[in-house]
Amino acid sequence: GAVVSQHPSRVICKSGTSVKIECRSLDFQATTMFWYRQFPKQSLMLMATSNEGSKATYEQGVEKDKFLINHASLTLSTLTVTSAHPEDSSFYICSAPSGGTYEQYFGPGTRLTVT
Amino acid sequence: GIQVEQSPPDLILQEGANSTLRCNFSDSVNNLQWFHQNPWGQLINLFYIPSGTKQNGRLSATTVATERYSLLYISSSQTTDSGVYFCAVAYKLSFGAGTTVTVRA
Repeated sequence: GAVVSQHPSRVICKSGTSVKIECRSLDFQATTMFWYRQFPKQSLMLMATSNEGSKATYEQGVEKDKFLINHASLTLSTLTVTSAHPEDSSFYICSAPSGGTYEQYFGPGTRLTVT
Repeated sequence: GIQVEQSPPDLILQEGANSTLRCNFSDSVNNLQWFHQNPWGQLINLFYIPSGTKQNGRLSATTVATERYSLLYISSSQTTDSGVYFCAVAYKLSFGAGTTVTVRA
């Protein structure tokens, strides 16, 4: 199957700082990638759709100025959490469809802790 | 948006037992996937199954699209099958709440 990587796997930052998370498709090109958030003991919630060459689209209730998404190339999308606060602490996971179908492949996730 | 319900929420099995997990969804879909989330959080693709039946080793899945449900079967369960199983539907994946499976030796 297709391989998606994320970096970093874990990050701790101070309140008020910004954090960038990278999502890469390693063996395929992805014009679209998705960003999800998962709180402890909960399911995954879609945050936004990252589109190569155009603006990201955000789900209802997700602040686009707080969660900046840039789809820089056909293999890279970045999520920047700006002015992070403790309530932004979560597990962030990206995915991308591959193989000409709707099947999604997920990165290993990034665990963000804001102190 | 599409509602996805999974049952049961928790499942405790003795090693070697068989089990069935269910996923109901509220609208017709062009994508349905089953995942296993390991203890480190990685989502492992089990099946891409918008309709029909597939098998992979001890796991199999069936989706009846016209009746809006899918079933995941685990046979001869092993301790390594423990974890959370998610069903997700649609292109922008909507996830169910998951089924937490615990397999005891």
